[in-house]
Amino acid sequence: ETGVTQTPRHLVMGMTNKKSLKCEQHLGHNAMYWYKQSAKKPLELMFVYSLEERVENNSVPSRFSPECPNSSHLFLHLHTLQPEDSALYLCASSLSPPGTGGTDTQYFGPGTRLTVL
Amino acid sequence: LAKTTQPISMDSYEGQEVNITCSHNNIATNDYITWYQQFPSQGPRFIIQGYKTKVTNEVASLFIPADRKSSTLSLPRVSLSDTAVYYCLVGGMNNLFFGTGTRLTVIP
Repeated sequence: ETGVTQTPRHLVMGMTNKKSLKCEQHLGHNAMYWYKQSAKKPLELMFVYSLEERVENNSVPSRFSPECPNSSHLFLHLHTLQPEDSALYLCASSLSPPGTGGTDTQYFGPGTRLTVL
Repeated sequence: LAKTTQPISMDSYEGQEVNITCSHNNIATNDYITWYQQFPSQGPRFIIQGYKTKVTNEVASLFIPADRKSSTLSLPRVSLSDTAVYYCLVGGMNNLFFGTGTRLTVIP
C-alpha cells in the first residue's frame, strides 16, 4: 500500500546522533499518529496529532520530539537516544480523530526499524 | 475505559473457519469495534469495523450481539498467510491501545 509512507525504512544511529523519521500520508486524512513497537511487545502510542495540533502525548521522553507541519506530514526528531529505544516506529493516519466512530480507522505505514548503538 | 479481552493465541488448520472472540463489557453507546491484523515487522492492517449485528466484507465477518459486550471476528477458510496477530479495539481514545492481541497460527 502507498497510502502512508515512511522514510527511512531502516536507521542505525549512535547515542549522540540526531536524526529524523518522516511520515507522509496521501489519503487526505486529518489525524496522524506515532507508535513504538519493541520486540515481542504491544504497540505503544507515542503521539497523536489532529488537524496539526498535538492532542495526545503519552508520557514520551523528551529525546523524542514530534513535528506536524501540515496534515499530510509528520516527523519524529530523535536525539541522544538510548539502546532501549531500538524498535519499529510506526506512523498511522485516520480520516477523523479518535472517538469519531466509523471514520477513525487507522492506516499504518510500513514502519522504520531503528537500531541505537 | 472500554478494556478488551482476547485469547492470547489460537491454532487452526488450513481451510477451517476461525472465530476469535473479544470481550468488551464496558463498551460505550457511541463506541465502534475495530479489528486489525499484524504480520511481523509490519504495521497493523485494518480488517473490519462494526457497531452492531453483523458486518461482512471480502476478508472477514464481524458478529456483534445485541448487548455489544463482545464481538467475534470470523475468518472463513484460513490459509497459511493468515498467520498473524489480530487485535480488537473499542471506542474513542481506546482505539489507540492495541494490547497483546490474539496470535493465530495456521497449521498446514
